[in-house]
Amino acid sequence: GESVGLHLPTLSVQEGDNSIINCAYSNSASDYFIWYKQESGKGPQFIIDIRSNMDKRQGQRVTVLLNKTVKHLSLQIAATQPGDSAVYFCAENKGYSTLTFGKGTMLLVSP
Amino acid sequence: GAVVSQHPSWVICKSGTSVKIECRSLDFQATTMFWYRQFPKQSLMLMATSNEGSKATYEQGVEKDKFLINHASLTLSTLTVTSAHPEDSSFYICSARELGTGDWTNEKLFFGSGTQLSVL
Repeated sequence: GESVGLHLPTLSVQEGDNSIINCAYSNSASDYFIWYKQESGKGPQFIIDIRSNMDKRQGQRVTVLLNKTVKHLSLQIAATQPGDSAVYFCAENKGYSTLTFGKGTMLLVSP
Repeated sequence: GAVVSQHPSWVICKSGTSVKIECRSLDFQATTMFWYRQFPKQSLMLMATSNEGSKATYEQGVEKDKFLINHASLTLSTLTVTSAHPEDSSFYICSARELGTGDWTNEKLFFGSGTQLSVL
């Protein structure tokens, strides 16, 4: 399930399930979006990106969906594995400016 | 992908001392590097943008005299936390943008592994 409160939103799934992590971005003019994975005590790792002229992009086990109408981005992870447990951040960018990071979602995968 | 090395990975210091954190791009040249700060269970907050050969640009609310940034070469940027206090304890992360990356679709910054600073 998903919980939101004073802590990071957390999504708990069973190994093998598909996970969907959501992100609402703020700037309607943003034209490039990235998902990052951050494991405890480490820097963010690039997962997948998408441009604003696309609404879907697929990678290995991951899919990013973009809905510009409602400024919503999602990351789908197929067949989630324990190694996918981490905090996931979306980031938005307009032109060649600095990235703005979302608040993050913690994904917990239980075996 | 490109590698960004950040050092040290963790540091413990006494209140009032200064701490220097290094960020190196190992296999590419970075005209621009970024410094972030991250508190537990929170997102990355951009502190400053470091440009090689020029003064850093600080985000609103970040004290430039407190957080000294030097970007003396295309492969090295340093962040010095001066007169550190317990409230400066945080996870500091750098990232680097590769020189000559004109295609904005490749605007995926390469991040260092972070530095956990604990000020006693």
